[in-house]
Amino acid sequence: QVQLQESGPGLVKPSGTLSLTCAVSGDSISSSNWWSWVRQPPGKGLEWIGEIHHSGSTNYNPSLKSRVTISVDKSKNQFSLRLTSVTAADTAVYYCARDRGRDYWGQGTLVTVSS
Amino acid sequence: QAVVTQEPSLTVSPGGTVTLTCGSSTGAVTGGHYPYWFQQKPGQAPRTLIYDTSNKHSWTPARFSGSLLGGKAALTLSGAQPEDEAEYYCLLSYSGGRAVLGGGTKLTVL
Repeated sequence: QVQLQESGPGLVKPSGTLSLTCAVSGDSISSSNWWSWVRQPPGKGLEWIGEIHHSGSTNYNPSLKSRVTISVDKSKNQFSLRLTSVTAADTAVYYCARDRGRDYWGQGTLVTVSS
Repeated sequence: QAVVTQEPSLTVSPGGTVTLTCGSSTGAVTGGHYPYWFQQKPGQAPRTLIYDTSNKHSWTPARFSGSLLGGKAALTLSGAQPEDEAEYYCLLSYSGGRAVLGGGTKLTVL
């Protein structure tokens, strides 16, 4: 059974950097799958942030591309999200998922941007 | 970038049938968009019901089915149950490695 678990700070200051990690179990990060990040502001819909393949190839949402970096750590079987210059609009539950959510999702982690 | 549209809300009677749709601002939705459908209940992570237009997971209730209908992706619920009340999202994949999520449909079983 594949499981994904997000972790990281729940509070980030405005203009700071949001950093989250998704630990994967039950599958190798080096498999043929892509690994995605999706977020959901409180009371709003889902937004696809981007994805990474173990080869290092990435795809990003054009609206976030200038501020987003997704990376992979094969030795730890995990992948990470980095979002810079955050504002209150980046407050959301952040989910990691396999293959754009084709099957497995993490439980999500709430990140609040506030001073 | 492309905009994916869904009905904001729909209501179905218990035991009834309802079809949710997912359209694209770029034109007709085809199998090449690999439509996914997710169900999300309050306070929970999304759960994937359908992938690649019509494929189900082992956990997908048989009463849910996916298809292409009139240039859109469609999710049909036949025999609605109270536990099917939830928000439903579709995701479409586009060339260039982009994915876009729809705004969601709030389904009420009443």
